[in-house]
Amino acid sequence: GNSVTQMEGPVTLSEEAFLTINCTYTATGYPSLFWYVQYPGEGLQLLLKATKADDKGSNKGFEATYRKETTSFHLEKGSVQVSDSAVYFCALISSGAGSYQLTFGKGTKLSVIP
Amino acid sequence: DAGVIQSPRHEVTEMGQEVTLRCKPISGHNSLFWYRQTMMRGLELLIYFNNNVPIDDSGMPEDRFSAKMPNASFSTLKIQPSEPRDSAVYFCASRTTGTVNQPQHFGDGTRLSIL
Repeated sequence: GNSVTQMEGPVTLSEEAFLTINCTYTATGYPSLFWYVQYPGEGLQLLLKATKADDKGSNKGFEATYRKETTSFHLEKGSVQVSDSAVYFCALISSGAGSYQLTFGKGTKLSVIP
Repeated sequence: DAGVIQSPRHEVTEMGQEVTLRCKPISGHNSLFWYRQTMMRGLELLIYFNNNVPIDDSGMPEDRFSAKMPNASFSTLKIQPSEPRDSAVYFCASRTTGTVNQPQHFGDGTRLSIL
């Protein structure tokens, strides 16, 4: 079956620090990969996605590259801001057996301090 | 454009009472998902619908939980009778089923507290 493993949190960084949140996956077929972000008191929002190997998704200064050889989709940002404090979820969707369910990681809480 | 709309945003009730959560998906989306989020278990898929038909309800924890989608613009998740362990944030999400890489769009959730 499909699964997503992401680094345990919480992660605390100072403003302008470099961010990496690791994500690896197992999946049948050729999955599409996503990062979602959840700000306090809100639902999940799509942050970025990549649909095939070597694709790079990017948004709001965040980037992630679909690495099929290492089955990874690590999230990076060069300089985090306090407003980036949130929970980040790595997810995949695979069309195996006609199913379009998202499989989520457990989430990584990021706190950015001034 | 309006996103996924959930109501109520907060619900506090006593155990044993019936609870009904509501969701209006984005217009044109034909898949709808109900999730539950807790600190202990994280984000769990409860059930999802394609074209108003329940496809997979294997995540529904017990017979006390039921979900319906009477039309393309409305779904309910009902808990009867409710128990304190049902306390969680419940999210609804919707998407189109055109291609596998279409993302799900989430509502802001209903924070449910069962006393």
